[in-house]
Formats: sequence, structure tokens, C-alpha cells
Amino acid sequence: TQLLEQSPQFLSIQEGENLTVYCNSSSVFSSLQWYRQEPGEGPVLLVTVVTGGEVKKLKRLTFQFGDARKDSSLHITAAQPGDTGLYLCAGPPTDKLIFGTGTRLQVFP
Amino acid sequence: GAGVSQSPRYKVAKRGQDVALRCDPISGHVSLFWYQQALGQGPEFLTYFQNEAQLDKSGLPSDRFFAERPEGSVSTLKIQRTQQEDSAVYLCASSLAPTGYEQYFGPGTRLTVT
Repeated sequence: TQLLEQSPQFLSIQEGENLTVYCNSSSVFSSLQWYRQEPGEGPVLLVTVVTGGEVKKLKRLTFQFGDARKDSSLHITAAQPGDTGLYLCAGPPTDKLIFGTGTRLQVFP
Repeated sequence: GAGVSQSPRYKVAKRGQDVALRCDPISGHVSLFWYQQALGQGPEFLTYFQNEAQLDKSGLPSDRFFAERPEGSVSTLKIQRTQQEDSAVYLCASSLAPTGYEQYFGPGTRLTVT
């Protein structure tokens, strides 16, 4: 069974700080996705990483897929209150999604 | 709207009651997925349809859970004889591609069993 562990589980930071969220598995994934979910809403896709070692940037968010395709990270630069939410890694997108345990981020102004 | 819609948004059921949760996917989307999300956790897969065919129901927790998509569009997730452990948010997602490369999620139905 493929499992995705995320760390940290909770993160409370001040506006302007940087942070990194990690997603780890003992299994190889063909690709991984990152989602953000806000209260009362469904997850919204942020990015898909496919190639080992791949780095993708989405404004202040930087996503990296590990060389061995067993882990991924999300780095946010200069966090803003609008970044608040539940961040989820998931994979593989070509089948039923296996979601990570989630990281709840709170950014205070 | 053009997104995935779910109804009702909130449902309170007494233990033992049957409930039916509805999902309206994006028009033309072939794949439809149901997930269960416990409070503070990531969603967990329940079942998957490609058009009207239920191709995977390995995530359904018990035979009290039943899903259908008779015309390949709207889907209903039915839970019989609800139990307290069924309390969760039930998310529906649809995808244009048969293998669900990019899934679009609805807002979910929050089920509370008292």
C-alpha cells in the first residue's frame, strides 16, 4: 500500500516568513500533485510534478520532486494570510488519488 | 456554474437512518470519484466510475455504502443504516480523461451522524 506522510502536521507563522512542507513515501510515485484546500471547499490542484528532480514555481510557491520520486516538497516564500489552508500532496494522478496526511498552515498578519 | 456541485452541503442524520448524497460533475467529464475526508485528515478514496461503469469500489468501507452513476453523469452515494463513524465530509471529483489526470473537486457534503 502506498502511503504519503506529510510534515509538519501544523504550521503557524507570521506574514513574511518562509516555510517548507514535506511529503514522503517509501514507494515510488510516477508523479505527485499538490493541492490546497480551504474550509468548506474541495481541494484545488496547485501543481503536478512528473520527473525526478523536477522543480516547478508558481509565484511564491516552489515545488520539488525528489530524484527517486519518493518525496516532494513545497516551499513558500514570504507567506501571506491568503496562503492559509490545508496543503495536501497526492498521487498518482493517473488513478485514484492517494492523499497525504495534510499540513495545516495558518499565516497571521 | 461550471464546477462540480454536491448536495446537500450539510446533512445531519440519526444513527440508523439512510442518506443519499448527490454529485453533479462537470459536463462531459468521463471519470467520477468519491472520497471520504475525516476532520483534519486527507481525503481517502471510496469509489471510481468511468461513465456509468463502476470500475473500482475497493475503498468503500462496508456493504452499507453504495454508489451509482446510472447515466454516466450524476452520481449518488448512498449510506444505509448510518453509524457515528460515518461522520465525515464526502467529496466528489470529476475528470475529463478516463484515467483522471486532473481531478476537479466539489465542495463536499458534511455528514454528521448523531
